[in-house]
Amino acid sequence: NAGVTQTPKFQVLKTGQSMTLQCAQDMNHEYMSWYRQDPGMGLRLIHYSVGAGITDQGEVPNGYNVSRSTTEDFPLRLLSAAPSQTSVYFCASRWGQGLYGYTFGSGTRLTVV
Amino acid sequence: GQQVMQIPQYQHVQEGEDFTTYCNSSTTLSNIQWYKQRPGGHPVFLIQLVKSGEVKKQKRLTFQFGEAKKNSSLHITATQTTDVGTYFCADPSGGSNYKLTFGKGTLLTVNP
Repeated sequence: NAGVTQTPKFQVLKTGQSMTLQCAQDMNHEYMSWYRQDPGMGLRLIHYSVGAGITDQGEVPNGYNVSRSTTEDFPLRLLSAAPSQTSVYFCASRWGQGLYGYTFGSGTRLTVV
Repeated sequence: GQQVMQIPQYQHVQEGEDFTTYCNSSTTLSNIQWYKQRPGGHPVFLIQLVKSGEVKKQKRLTFQFGEAKKNSSLHITATQTTDVGTYFCADPSGGSNYKLTFGKGTLLTVNP
């Protein structure tokens, strides 16, 4: 298993540009989520999905869009990038039922100039 | 929303010293998880605690869940340079059982 794969690893965008951060997992996990990590703020939940076709907002959803057409993929779209979206983005999927945990991807470092 | 508060924010120790980070919630938690993130890396799952008063050990790491299930701690005995990183507690319930809410973490640095 490759686990959770995120692409790209690094990206620089200009203000107003749009882009999609890719996330894929090959573990057949139903639940997937996106976090952003900023200094001093910890990890904050952007959007999550409990299965194909089902998504919901997290703590900081504004400026981001998601869809879940398959179990494997959960892309995060930045509609019109802003400098405030400069951050490290992590995708995660949940394993287990009674005892469970989350597997994180290696992250995407995004800079918006 | 529900929050877990983590202290201290930073901790610098000499190699061989012990280290403890604490996590507190204003509400009762169904369970709590701990993650470690190395500098420049991604969070890695360490453990999940479910039962009131639970204590689990992983080599030099000891995890505790409070009797009231409102607090937790991670204790590292005799730190090593490989322990460097940020340790996060996380509340997996977040009101819906699917929202993993993280504390802000404790950054541990170890002086060799």
